[in-house]
Amino acid sequence: EAGVAQSPRYKIIEKRQSVAFWCNPISGHATLYWYQQILGQGPKLLIQFQNNGVVDDSQLPKDRFSAERLKGVDSTLKIQPAKLEDSAVYLCASSFTFATNEKLFFGSGTQLSVL
Amino acid sequence: AQSVSQHNHHVILSEAASLELGCNYSYGGTVNLFWYVQYPGQHLQLLLKYFSGDPLVKGIKGFEAEFIKSKFSFNLRKPSVQWSDTAEYFCAVNAFYSGAGSYQLTFGKGTKLSVIP
Repeated sequence: EAGVAQSPRYKIIEKRQSVAFWCNPISGHATLYWYQQILGQGPKLLIQFQNNGVVDDSQLPKDRFSAERLKGVDSTLKIQPAKLEDSAVYLCASSFTFATNEKLFFGSGTQLSVL
Repeated sequence: AQSVSQHNHHVILSEAASLELGCNYSYGGTVNLFWYVQYPGQHLQLLLKYFSGDPLVKGIKGFEAEFIKSKFSFNLRKPSVQWSDTAEYFCAVNAFYSGAGSYQLTFGKGTKLSVIP
């Protein structure tokens, strides 16, 4: 089966610029997650969607980050304006259901460098 | 807030050596436990998981993990590692986070395993 698709693979921007990441989950997966992974750390949850509704965005810096999931399929994550500390790999993941023992399927991530 | 601690940042082993990677979590309620692995150049993928029943769970490629509730631990083991096991291993805990009012999957910082042929 096709995996979780993410683009772009790499992005380099200057601070205060804006950037957007795109994710296409596995077909039929109801739940979609965005994680931020800073170098040397584990992935940190930013936001999770159930279909096109937000389940948890408690760790999303809402003053600069936004995310949407159109029609319960694709999702975009935006940062505006970017800060140096936003340099990280942004991972998208999806799962078939929202069950707490569900396996997550991860994409390859977008590596963001903010200069 | 819940947290996940992985004891070792980088482990270096020779082929055929035994492996144990430590994982402890700080949450007293019901948890679901996972080990994910990231091979060089690949995406994160599930190695094994525990949610109920036998506390000794077996995963892919000969890996196993034991859930010890009294110690809040979920250590990963493999009796004999291979060069192809070189990867980064992440422990993760899914539990209810009152701050968010929902379940969250929280990851540890990861352990890099290097296996020398």
